[in-house]
Amino acid sequence: RKEVEQDPGPFNVPEGATVAFNCTYSNSASQSFFWYRQDCRKEPKLLMSVYSSGNEDGRFTAQLNRASQYISLLIRDSKLSDSATYLCVVRAYNQGGKLIFGQGTELSVKP
Amino acid sequence: GAVVSQHPSWVICKSGTSVKIECRSLDFQATTMFWYRQFPKQSLMLMATSNEGSKATYEQGVEKDKFLINHASLTLSTLTVTSAHPEDSSFYICSARTATGTRGTDTQYFGPGTRLTVL
Repeated sequence: RKEVEQDPGPFNVPEGATVAFNCTYSNSASQSFFWYRQDCRKEPKLLMSVYSSGNEDGRFTAQLNRASQYISLLIRDSKLSDSATYLCVVRAYNQGGKLIFGQGTELSVKP
Repeated sequence: GAVVSQHPSWVICKSGTSVKIECRSLDFQATTMFWYRQFPKQSLMLMATSNEGSKATYEQGVEKDKFLINHASLTLSTLTVTSAHPEDSSFYICSARTATGTRGTDTQYFGPGTRLTVL
């Protein structure tokens, strides 16, 4: 079983749509959670950290459910520029604090 | 934000040659650097973690004699792919973690990656 699992997609949505990505992790000792965005042939870039209380950054909302070991990302009013691969990432300090990446969910926003 | 550079950004080489990739933290000191590899349509896989002045720690399944890592200073780490073969063709990304950071916050910065193609 992968440590971090995501639906690989692709998700093809029209502009303005709301889209949700899900992620599960297996290490119950995971302590930090993130969503990264990766554009084609580029390095991943931090989109947002995920906190237990849930957090929002503009059109992006992240949720964490520690009991279910589940993380989500909601994108509202999607833009063409949101097209990218979204990576769910966890960090567990019982693994030396290294980042563990999910395989990513590909999003394509169409006009 | 903090900047991490990688050089070269892409390289094409013949099978059997060795390739060196440099990773530099430009405006901060990185006690820890990470090397990742990403194959098409797959996620980043951690290859090794290197701490300045000590031997790198390799992930399971990564050959330390094939992927040589040197972290000689707080701003430079190098990855050398020795005797490269076509199956080593991949996107190699380094990441540097700042010397000070708060647990729970992300203080890890990624380089732009190096695309290696072995013919």
